[in-house]
Amino acid sequence: GEDVEQSLFLSVREGDSSVINCTYTDSSSTYLYWYKQEPGAGLQLLTYIFSNMDMKQDQRLTVLLNKKDKHLSLRIADTQTGDSAIYFCAERTTGNQFYFGTGTSLTVIP
Amino acid sequence: SQTIHQWPATLVQPVGSPLSLECTVEGTSNPNLYWYRQAAGRGLQLLFYSVGIGQISSEVPQNLSASRPQDRQFILSSKKLLLSDSGFYLCAWSKQGFYNEQFFGPGTRLTVL
Repeated sequence: GEDVEQSLFLSVREGDSSVINCTYTDSSSTYLYWYKQEPGAGLQLLTYIFSNMDMKQDQRLTVLLNKKDKHLSLRIADTQTGDSAIYFCAERTTGNQFYFGTGTSLTVIP
Repeated sequence: SQTIHQWPATLVQPVGSPLSLECTVEGTSNPNLYWYRQAAGRGLQLLFYSVGIGQISSEVPQNLSASRPQDRQFILSSKKLLLSDSGFYLCAWSKQGFYNEQFFGPGTRLTVL
């Protein structure tokens, strides 16, 4: 399968910005996603970006895609304690396959 | 609207016992269906996906199997559970087609003792 990598942990202070990074290996990916998983729950889609876009902004969320470097990031502005969760990036390749990263556990310190 | 159900929510099973986890989707037809496992402290691992009834693709060799007896029903099974099968199992669905965001069920937490 494809490799999708993320750093495991990130801590930020409430009110600061969080940046969660992801790298992937498949250059034929079509869509890239960010999911949020709260404790003991399933995943919820936060946002996605089409592979021919460089940036997408959705309220406090900004997704940046560097297709040349195969690097995806999620920036959360004005991070709140309710943003504490595990964040997964995922890529969709041809053939309806999704590959998820290992997840980044975000801790927001009050 | 579409909904996805998984049951049971939690399960404790002895080593060597069988397993059956069920996932059903409502409000859509001919979805792609997925089973993922999330081991403690680790990311998601795709176990199986299905593009139609009776069509199952396996991503990793393992002790588990999957079946899709109906369009919106996806079952994860094992004949004999191993300790290493413990984890959080997530079912997901997506539409067929070019853009197909995945929607996840609430998950089943399996503990094998």
